[in-house]
Amino acid sequence: EDQVTQSPEALRLQEGESSSLNCSYTVSGLRGLFWYRQDPGKGPEFLFTLYSAGEEKEKERLKATLTKKESFLHITAPKPEDSATYLCAVRTNAGGTSYGKLTFGQGTILTVHP
Amino acid sequence: DAGVTQSPTHLIKTRGQQVTLRCSPKSGHDTVSWYQQALGQGPQFIFQYYEEEERQRGNFPDRFSGHQFPNYSSELNVNALLLGDSALYLCASSPTGGEKLFFGSGTQLSVL
Repeated sequence: EDQVTQSPEALRLQEGESSSLNCSYTVSGLRGLFWYRQDPGKGPEFLFTLYSAGEEKEKERLKATLTKKESFLHITAPKPEDSATYLCAVRTNAGGTSYGKLTFGQGTILTVHP
Repeated sequence: DAGVTQSPTHLIKTRGQQVTLRCSPKSGHDTVSWYQQALGQGPQFIFQYYEEEERQRGNFPDRFSGHQFPNYSSELNVNALLLGDSALYLCASSPTGGEKLFFGSGTQLSVL
């Protein structure tokens, strides 16, 4: 069974204090690893998709990286508006070409204080 | 361009009742997936609809059923509600073959 574990569960940073969020996964046949951001009372908002080990993607203060066992979301010089829950999810080869099913981790709640 | 819209935004039901949640996908999207998100947890896959048929299903009992209409909108039905069904129900849409899911803001269901 596919498993996705995120750490830490919660992270508090001061504005400008860079850090990283971790997503460890155990799957058979990774088709993609996804990062989403979720604000309170909202649905998840897509950030990145990574497909193979060594791949990196960046967007503003966020950078996502992928290895064969885990992914990191690096946050450089965060601002209070970066406060949100960050979700990691995987899509696998199981079940054929299903483009809908994502298996999510439990999320990391990030709080950035001014 | 409207994104994924869900209704209602909040709902309160009692145990044993039935509920129907609705979802309109993003324009140009024909695939709809439903997820359940309990408080403090990540979303869990319920099922996916494509061409008006259930294409894949997660580990949810038969009390959870759905439907997709010719205009690609979708409904999620839950029968014989249990307290444990209290959660945020998220609808996500994607175009055919699209790997990125677009989520609605969800329906917050409370079962008393």
